[in-house]
This record gives sequence, structure tokens and C-alpha cells, in this order.
Amino acid sequence: SQTIHQWPATLVQPVGSPLSLECTVEGTSNPNLYWYRQAAGRGLQLLFYSIGIDQISSEVPQNLSASRPQDRQFILSSKKLLLSDSGFYLCAWSVSRGQGIGNYGYTFGSGTRLTVV
Amino acid sequence: KNQVEQSPQSLIILEGKNCTLQCNYTVSPFSNLRWYKQDTGRGPVSLTIMTFSENTKSNGRYTATLDADTKQSSLHITASQLSDSASYICVVSPSNDYKLSFGAGTTVTVRA
Repeated sequence: SQTIHQWPATLVQPVGSPLSLECTVEGTSNPNLYWYRQAAGRGLQLLFYSIGIDQISSEVPQNLSASRPQDRQFILSSKKLLLSDSGFYLCAWSVSRGQGIGNYGYTFGSGTRLTVV
Repeated sequence: KNQVEQSPQSLIILEGKNCTLQCNYTVSPFSNLRWYKQDTGRGPVSLTIMTFSENTKSNGRYTATLDADTKQSSLHITASQLSDSASYICVVSPSNDYKLSFGAGTTVTVRA
């Protein structure tokens, strides 16, 4: 069965410090991978999505970047955190359209609560 | 613009009672609609997934309906339990894009 791991669960970082959130998927190959941010009382906002290694699309210009060094690994980074980067970050995966059933399955990680102080 | 509107924003019900959550969407072309349950501080967990041809689907005490003509969906919770207290999110997927459209969620509080 497929599983998704996201860590850390919580993080408190000072303004100006770097950030690295990691997400890995097991039990599947060539997944689509996503990073979302969720603000209180708001819907999830798509930050980045990736359909393959080194194929990453950014949805919102911001202080963050994403990388996919391996097929099932997705990393969210920042060189210098801002206060506005605080939030709840979710990684997710889905089967790729190339596997014939489109964006049907969509599974989220457990989330990272980031507080920038 | 693809949008998903959920109502009510929040509701409080007594344990054992039923409730219904609403989701209206404008996403087109439509592929599927999902309901997720999100406990506080956790990632969303899928409850149901429905495609265009499905108009009802159940998962235990959760029953989702879909009217693709009017672009409306509902999630009915039967005989609520304290553990049903969570945010319920409606998510709609277009058939021509990877990006999903999320509702803001309905926060359900079940009280003893």
C-alpha cells in the first residue's frame, strides 16, 4: 500500500532563517507531488506541483521554492523565512495521468505547523 | 474561475443527531468531487470520491450525494459521534488540469 510521510510535524523558526520541509511517498512510482499551504478558515492554496523529477511548477510567487531530487521525494525550502510564511503546510501525492486514471487518488501527508517568530 | 463554496461555515450538533453539509461548485470541465475530513492539526483524510456518473456514495455513517447538473454536493453525517468533530472539506477536480479546487471547509462540533 502507498504511504506518505511528511516531517517535521511542528517547527518554530526565527525570521531570516532557512527552511526545509520534506515529504516522501512509498509504494508507488512516478507520483504527482504537491505542496499546499492552509490558512485558518481558508481553503488550501496550491504552492507547487511536480509531475516528475526536476519538473516543478510554481503557482504563487513567494519566498519559497521546491525541489524533487528523487522520484518520491519532494522538498519545500526557503533561504530566509518571513513572518508571513507561518502556516500549516501539507504535502500530497496522486497517481499521474499517465497511469490511466487521471488525478483520481489524492492523499495528504499529516502536515507541518510552521511558526516564524 | 473555478470555485467551490461550502455552507455552513460551522455548525454545532448534539451527539447522536444528523447533519448535512453543502458544497456548490463552478469547476468545469468536471472530473470528480471528494469530501475530506480534517482533524485539527492533521492532514485531510478522504471520505468519499464521486465521478460524474455517481450520485451517491457512502462510507459508514457518511453519505455523499452529487448532482452534476446543478453542480451541488452534500455530505450527510448520521448519528453523529464526538469523533466526528472536525473540518469537512469539499474538493473538486477538473478533467483538464492537475490543480484541484478546495472549499474553505465546514467546521463541525459534536457535543455530548
